[in-house]
Amino acid sequence: ETGVTQTPRHLVMGMTNKKSLKCEQHLGHNAMYWYKQSAKKPLELMFVYSLEERVENNSVPSRFSPECPNSSHLFLHLHTLQPEDSALYLCASSPQYQANTEAFFGQGTRLTVV
Amino acid sequence: SQQGEEDPQALSIQEGENATMNCSYKTSINNLQWYRQNSGRGLVHLILIRSNEREKHSGRLRVTLDTSKKSSSLLITASRAADTASYFCATVLTGGGNKLTFGTGTQLKVEL
Repeated sequence: ETGVTQTPRHLVMGMTNKKSLKCEQHLGHNAMYWYKQSAKKPLELMFVYSLEERVENNSVPSRFSPECPNSSHLFLHLHTLQPEDSALYLCASSPQYQANTEAFFGQGTRLTVV
Repeated sequence: SQQGEEDPQALSIQEGENATMNCSYKTSINNLQWYRQNSGRGLVHLILIRSNEREKHSGRLRVTLDTSKKSSSLLITASRAADTASYFCATVLTGGGNKLTFGTGTQLKVEL
């Protein structure tokens, strides 16, 4: 248990659906991250939030929309996804964005787009 | 381009043996971190080594860093079946904020 909780753990959605992934941390961290892990590829950083402000958006398609309502919660809203978006989506947090420390990861949401 | 690359991609050893995994990277780093991932689950942080450090230990884990060669190694001594997992190195670039750039990982299998 790392203190970062992701829900749901598994999600199957059609290409026309809208769904949201949720991430919650109660570690008192100020930075939160979304990563995508596809088979045979390195983890890709998608978004970074520091003190609820988005500081990174790594050329992610607009069908992925992040939201950080407070420093403890991070969402990833999904709409009109493609089958190639099927992957493990990992949320992480760290104490401060500018302090180079370890990241704490959630267990991930396994997303399948059909 | 990919910052960290692990070698080997897969490693199979017997319980009790040592396992060594290597990581190479391309640009100047602030620190390098090793993570472990059990199948389909989240990543667990193992060790962070800063650019001015050469070696760190944590239990059965030993990490080295050679900034002149832009490489790091992770040694797991006296391996156990429970060490079976994927191991990733991740770099944090100098001045780049706390963004981790991962390699593709080494899949370690420890057999009884």
